[in-house]
Amino acid sequence: AQSVTQLDSQVPVFEEAPVELRCNYSSSVSVYLFWYVQYPNQGLQLLLKYLSGSTLVKGINGFEAEFNKSQTSFHLRKPSVHISDTAEYFCAVSGGTGRRALTFGSGTRLQVQP
Amino acid sequence: GAGVSQSPSNKVTEKGKDVELRCDPISGHTALYWYRQRLGQGLEFLIYFQGNSAPDKSGLPSDRFSAERTGESVSTLTIQRTQQEDSAVYLCASSLQGYTEAFFGQGTRLTVV
Repeated sequence: AQSVTQLDSQVPVFEEAPVELRCNYSSSVSVYLFWYVQYPNQGLQLLLKYLSGSTLVKGINGFEAEFNKSQTSFHLRKPSVHISDTAEYFCAVSGGTGRRALTFGSGTRLQVQP
Repeated sequence: GAGVSQSPSNKVTEKGKDVELRCDPISGHTALYWYRQRLGQGLEFLIYFQGNSAPDKSGLPSDRFSAERTGESVSTLTIQRTQQEDSAVYLCASSLQGYTEAFFGQGTRLTVV
């Protein structure tokens, strides 16, 4: 079975500061990894994905994530956040044995303060 | 269509009534997922359809929940004898194939009173 752990339920940060949202997964086989963002009262939108190849993945809105197989992590980073980045961020994993559907973490609420 | 469409967007129902939620996936997407999101919480997997394969129903919380999909088209999620704990946003997503990124609809907000 696969699972995803997002260690921080909330991350407060000041505008223009860097941010890292942590994600760890467990799976016995190769996986595909995703970060989704959910703005207030909106649906989920794909930020970025790792399927194969370069372990550093760049996404929309200046976000990037690095796949670290040895640490089974896929942390999301942004060097300078904006007020508009305030949202819920979900890490997800698919692939491997068993369930094929995306398995989501519990989410991290990013609160950007002026 | 251009995106995943869900209807209705909001549904208020009385406890004990049955409800049916609809999802129109992106045309050509073989995989379709249903998730539940309770207020302030993450996404809870409910069911997954992939082409003509038997659906993965392992996430359905009780036998009051069921879902159907005809071919690679519309899916309906049915909740029988609704309970207050069923109140949540029900999200549908589709993807070109299993394993690849999923595109989400706006969800149906279900309130059981």
